[in-house]
Amino acid sequence: DGGITQSPKYLFRKEGQNVTLSCEQNLNHDAMYWYRQDPGQGLRLIYYSQIVNDFQKGDIAEGYSVSREKKESFPLTVTSAQKNPTAFYLCASSIFGGRDTEAFFGQGTRLTVV
Amino acid sequence: AQSVAQPEDQVNVAEGNPLTVKCTYSVSGNPYLFWYVQYPNRGLQFLLKYITGDNLVKGSYGFEAEFNKSQTSFHLKKPSALVSDSALYFCGLDQAGTALIFGKGTTLSVSS
Repeated sequence: DGGITQSPKYLFRKEGQNVTLSCEQNLNHDAMYWYRQDPGQGLRLIYYSQIVNDFQKGDIAEGYSVSREKKESFPLTVTSAQKNPTAFYLCASSIFGGRDTEAFFGQGTRLTVV
Repeated sequence: AQSVAQPEDQVNVAEGNPLTVKCTYSVSGNPYLFWYVQYPNRGLQFLLKYITGDNLVKGSYGFEAEFNKSQTSFHLKKPSALVSDSALYFCGLDQAGTALIFGKGTTLSVSS
């Protein structure tokens, strides 16, 4: 099955902990993205990567970090510097450079601070 | 700056009636516009896109969208709504070939 897999589906974090959300795709897409979804605020772009070993900050990158060591993987770390991390996180991928190509989304990870 | 807006938080329609979910955009240059649907606790599913050409774009599940350059709008439409169409709908704009940006979403509720 081709697609994007996010894990875990639910994640609980204690105050002051770093946590890493996994995103893997087998679509052979060059570009990958992380979005944060909060009720009433829509989707906001955290980071994106258009090629291996390169990534760019989105609109709300503070408190987050990413890596792109492999084409198929784009993990997101939510650091202790992120003051309000409780949200639904969505990973997506698309063909690089194709403004006319749609993004494919994973099923999301719901992160809750306890 | 490029932006996309969905002016309605919620749209309510009766089953069998036509539906419209509104989207407006602001962009320098040609717009590349998308509609996605999201069901509870799931990712987004692609419905349709406008790149160039016909102003009426047809997509999945009987949805279509009308691009209007003079009004900078890209409204999602369906001639006859189904209860199963109830979901959260997002309008997206390609941000200069880097990443999609989205409106805040519109909740569509179809009553039987």
